[in-house]
Amino acid sequence: EVQLVESGGGLVQPGRSLRLSCAASGFTFDDYAMHWVRQAPGKGLEWVSGISWNSGSIGYADSVKGRFTISRDNAKNSLYLQMNSLRAEDTALYYCAKGRGYSYGYGDGFDYWGQGTLVTVSS
Amino acid sequence: QSALTQPASVSGSPGQSITISCTGTSSDVGGYNYVSWYQQHPGKAPKLMIYEVSNRPSGVSNRFSGSKSGNTASLTISGLQAEDEADYYCSSYTSSSAPYVFGTGTKVTVL
Repeated sequence: EVQLVESGGGLVQPGRSLRLSCAASGFTFDDYAMHWVRQAPGKGLEWVSGISWNSGSIGYADSVKGRFTISRDNAKNSLYLQMNSLRAEDTALYYCAKGRGYSYGYGDGFDYWGQGTLVTVSS
Repeated sequence: QSALTQPASVSGSPGQSITISCTGTSSDVGGYNYVSWYQQHPGKAPKLMIYEVSNRPSGVSNRFSGSKSGNTASLTISGLQAEDEADYYCSSYTSSSAPYVFGTGTKVTVL
């Protein structure tokens, strides 16, 4: 059974940093791209970042480019999102999602999602 | 990149069929066969229902079907059931700087 478990969310002041983690199990982690997708309270879904199977290709939404860094450790079956210079508009539930293929940029969708970790940016 | 346009709400009675539209541009929905649909129940994570316009993942009911015409994709739910009441989001590959764009979301109500 595929499982994705996010952690690391919490309340943080504007301008500070936070690191999210996603522990994956139930599939061959290093065969697939991984993504972060967020959902602001009461709002829709927004793709944040994606990383290909071997970290060779990475992409970000314009809204987080230059502030967020995605990474993965295939030996630990883990995905990460380092979030710096956080803003109030980054407040959201952050989902870890498994890509259907090995490249993040093929547009082939997300077939498994974690339950999310909540990030609240407020003073 | 602007979100794809979906109706805010769609409703139907049990047993009926409903269709949710997802309108984009030639740079996303119209240009690629990479449209996906996700179901999200309140307080739950999204679930993939359709990928690559019309393909159903294993385990998804055949009451769910997808199609595309020009810049508009559609999700049809036939034989509507109470458990289908949820929010539905479309997503497409896009040629913009970020590869994915989501729709605005549609709340499906079973009357």
